[in-house]
Amino acid sequence: GESVGLHLPTLSVQEGDNSIINCAYSNSASDYFIWYKQESGKGPQFIIDIRSNMDKRQGQRVTVLLNKTVKHLSLQIAATQPGDSAVYFCAEKKSGTYKYIFGTGTRLKVLA
Amino acid sequence: DAGVTQSPTHLIKTRGQHVTLRCSPISGHKSVSWYQQVLGQGPQFIFQYYEKEERGRGNFPDRFSARQFPNYSSELNVNALLLGDSALYLCASSPGPTANTEAFFGQGTRLTVV
Repeated sequence: GESVGLHLPTLSVQEGDNSIINCAYSNSASDYFIWYKQESGKGPQFIIDIRSNMDKRQGQRVTVLLNKTVKHLSLQIAATQPGDSAVYFCAEKKSGTYKYIFGTGTRLKVLA
Repeated sequence: DAGVTQSPTHLIKTRGQHVTLRCSPISGHKSVSWYQQVLGQGPQFIFQYYEKEERGRGNFPDRFSARQFPNYSSELNVNALLLGDSALYLCASSPGPTANTEAFFGQGTRLTVV
């Protein structure tokens, strides 16, 4: 399949370890944030979202942390599995607007 | 339930030609957005359509146009193709134009301009 991002920052983790992917967002007025996972040859797939009135949200094996003071978002993946290998994008949105603004992405490589 | 469907999946065009890409949103979703994803970058917003009207436009030239049909499906048209238009074109559907909910993406159309 085609590679989503040949020159993206890459995070390599051992299978079973925890992964932390970071993202700096651009607009202090953004109040909704999403993490997407994109596998080669596929469209972005929703992982987890968070609204600005929260600073942490947990899903199944994933946690998103939001620090509005420094405009920083992180995605934590517990017990990383080979199927987690993909490119991860954060996206931000402001209420009343129509577009999502995507970050540049991070490639996650899970080592067996 | 069918997700967002896009056609074709791959396309090769020559510089100067015109291309039409198609998208069917999730049933019940009335908003369709188009994004361009160049290799190595995140998706960039092109258009949003809601109830057949353009609600938003990104920083793209007038060679890019789109429309939405009564059944909420959408077409993206690009005229006078340039090499730099080579990218993955993604369609996303959502219930409304500005709702703070996830956008559901299709698998994309890979356009190569030669």
